[in-house]
Order: sequence, then C-alpha cells, then structure tokens
Amino acid sequence: ETGVTQTPRHLVMGMTNKKSLKCEQHLGHNAMYWYKQSAKKPLELMFVYSLEERVENNSVPSRFSPECPNSSHLFLHLHTLQPEDSALYLCASSQGVDSEQYFGPGTRLTVT
Amino acid sequence: AQSVTQPDIHITVSEGASLELRCNYSYGATPYLFWYVQSPGQGLQLLLKYFSGDTLVQGIKGFEAEFKRSQSSFNLRKPSVHWSDAAEYFCAVVSTSGTYKYIFGTGTRLKVLA
Repeated sequence: ETGVTQTPRHLVMGMTNKKSLKCEQHLGHNAMYWYKQSAKKPLELMFVYSLEERVENNSVPSRFSPECPNSSHLFLHLHTLQPEDSALYLCASSQGVDSEQYFGPGTRLTVT
Repeated sequence: AQSVTQPDIHITVSEGASLELRCNYSYGATPYLFWYVQSPGQGLQLLLKYFSGDTLVQGIKGFEAEFKRSQSSFNLRKPSVHWSDAAEYFCAVVSTSGTYKYIFGTGTRLKVLA
C-alpha cells in the first residue's frame, strides 16, 4: 500500500450503531487529520494530531471520538450519529502541520 | 478574521481554452499557499504550493499559480484545458505565525466542454 488509505470506503449505519473509520498513512509523516466534507459546504477540519498528540479539535460533537495509537494510524469512532452526519470523511497526513497534506480517498458515510 | 475566498463556485470552459481560478486570502502575514484538486469520489490531490521565493510556481498537470502580495491573491492558471481537468479545485492557506491554522476555500467546480 502507498500513500494514505481509508477503510471502509462506504458505510451505512443506523443512529444507534457504533462503528469506526480507519486511516493509515505509509508516508512516514508526523501529522494526521480528519475532515468532514458535506455537499454545498466547505471542507471542515475536525481533528489534528501532531506527533500522536491532538492539537486541534474544532468544536466537534462528542459522538465523534478520534484515536491516534501511533504516527501511522488514525481512527474515528462513531456512536449515536445523526442523519446530518452523513458526509464524506477524509483523512490526510503531512510532515509538519504547515506542509502540504496528502489525502486518502475518503469514507462515504450514510446515517439512516 | 482569517479567511480564504474562491469567488467562483462553478466555471465552464471549452477544451483547449485557457483557465484561471481565483483565490483571495485574508491574513496578517504572508501565509503558505496551496492548490488542491478533487476528482469525483476521491480525496484531494496537491497541485502546487507556495512557501516563499519566486512568486510564479509550477505544479503538476501543467498548472501554475502566481502569488500577488499586493492583491492577497494566489490564482491558478492553465494555458490549455483538457477534458480530464474537470474536477473541483480548492485553494488553501496555512498561517505561518501563531497557532496552527489551515483553511480551505469553498472550492470551484470546473466543467470542460468538448
């Protein structure tokens, strides 16, 4: 695998389910990000991890819980989601938080 | 407040025509500047970046961008558009001082007519 990978690519979940999104970067970077991309809305930064520590949490509801066990892996744990949480969730990585970011293909999440 | 503006939501050009996508930013100091492209169902891909130095930067796929400090702009250009360039284009800036701040514009969707 090369670059940034995300699994699953598609996810349908009910509002009472618990699921997790996984991101893995194979670039040796030290920063990772979660973004939410909804139709007709700007790209929303959710979380930033630098050197495995969370450095940014953009007022994201607690039903989204990130985890960064090491510099190569990033998870987004989901529980009790709402239909408005349906979106494309993108993961990215970079070498330093002010450098160009490399994105994964995203997970298309549908909450029913 | 810091911001990034892409004034054009949609742009349509004919294949072979030239292209310019606009990006304006509002920051106290010169930020780092980026252009990304997103094809349908995909993540974003870096086209080019500006950190310092020569204000005209070359990127992949034949794109270039020019940083104009006096206009707080970083417009993306391509002399001859190909049908495969149809995608959404995002300008992004990151503050070079103080706390971390990475902001994306709202995007410009490019349609290419055959």
